[in-house]
Amino acid sequence: AQSVSQHNHHVILSEAASLELGCNYSYGGTVNLFWYVQYPGQHLQLLLKYFSGDPLVKGIKGFEAEFIKSKFSFNLRKPSVQWSDTAEYFCAVNAQKTSYDKVIFGPGTSLSVIP
Amino acid sequence: SQTIHQWPATLVQPVGSPLSLECTVEGTSNPNLYWYRQAAGRGLQLLFYSVGIGQISSEVPQNLSASRPQDRQFILSSKKLLLSDSGFYLCAWKRVPTEAFFGQGTRLTVV
Repeated sequence: AQSVSQHNHHVILSEAASLELGCNYSYGGTVNLFWYVQYPGQHLQLLLKYFSGDPLVKGIKGFEAEFIKSKFSFNLRKPSVQWSDTAEYFCAVNAQKTSYDKVIFGPGTSLSVIP
Repeated sequence: SQTIHQWPATLVQPVGSPLSLECTVEGTSNPNLYWYRQAAGRGLQLLFYSVGIGQISSEVPQNLSASRPQDRQFILSSKKLLLSDSGFYLCAWKRVPTEAFFGQGTRLTVV
């Protein structure tokens, strides 16, 4: 069965600090990987996605993530965070080429950016 | 363009009462549909998903059920609500191999 873990439950950073949020998944086959963001009071939005090709993917608002297949990881990074990045971040995995099409989410990481 | 509608946005129901949350998708056909429950610190828990009309897969045993009477309609139900059913419920749709798109969610409080 698919599962997703996220390394940090709550991260607090000052503005301009660099961000890295860890994500690991368990599934032996081909996967699609996603990072979603939920700003306070808003619905879930897609930050970035990986389906195939270059393992370094760039998303909106300066975020990027790197897929390392050997480590079953898909860590999210941003070189310099802003106060507006304060939000809940969710990593998700979607197993590909199976008889079903489930998207499984991690527990989320709450990011607080201090001005 | 595709849109997903979920209602109501908030709901307060007494223990033992029935529940019906509705989700509809516009602008696409044959979507895969999902119900999630979001709890603080636990992320999004997949409750049900459907790959076609009348086809429902349940992920966790619980007091809830789901139905898909039409291609783009997904309903979450309960015959008798429990206090533990309180939470934030999200509907989502996707096509293979795209990402999932989410509705605005329903905040359910069982009192």
